[in-house]
Amino acid sequence: DARVTQTPRHKVTEMGQEVTMRCQPILGHNTVFWYRQTMMQGLELLAYFRNRAPLDDSGMPKDRFSAEMPDATLATLKIQPSEPRDSAVYFCASGLREGVTEAFFGQGTRLTVV
Amino acid sequence: AQSVTQPDIHITVSEGASLELRCNYSYGATPYLFWYVQSPGQGLQLLLKYFSGDTLVQGIKGFEAEFKRSQSSFNLRKPSVHWSDAAEYFCAVRLYGNKLVFGAGTILRVKS
Repeated sequence: DARVTQTPRHKVTEMGQEVTMRCQPILGHNTVFWYRQTMMQGLELLAYFRNRAPLDDSGMPKDRFSAEMPDATLATLKIQPSEPRDSAVYFCASGLREGVTEAFFGQGTRLTVV
Repeated sequence: AQSVTQPDIHITVSEGASLELRCNYSYGATPYLFWYVQSPGQGLQLLLKYFSGDTLVQGIKGFEAEFKRSQSSFNLRKPSVHWSDAAEYFCAVRLYGNKLVFGAGTILRVKS
């Protein structure tokens, strides 16, 4: 059963620490998305990759956030330094660019910055 | 700007009753529309999608949605709600390259 895998599922860290979240997209999918979910803002798109190249990261705070795809099976979202306002659930999703298809979501990483 | 509005933050229905969750979109081109469901602590699961063709779309778990271009709406319906349907429901419109814009979500509570 193909699915998007995110690690870790939960992360508690102290303010100022670096946080790295990982995502394994569904094999063969060539688009990857990072979303952040908070009570106040709902689901926000942070970054979007196609064929490992970043196409849109306008939703991401550039000073502390970075997103990469070292290879087709791994996407990372890094926060350095982390702040309490970064506490949220971060979702990765993957899909196919060709044709009109849906995005498949991982179970998310719940980040708490204290 | 493209947007999705879900006017109801919370809805409570009795088990066995019918359900309709509202969704309105603002998008200049032909919209590709989705409904996702999120159970507590889980990711988003696709319920159904509309791309073209028949405006009444069938999805999983007995859900359906109707696309009405004249009203810019894509409301989700279910004839008889089960307690396991309690969750948060998100409507979304697809922009270029599979980028999704989500509504704020509607929390469904089911009372027995």
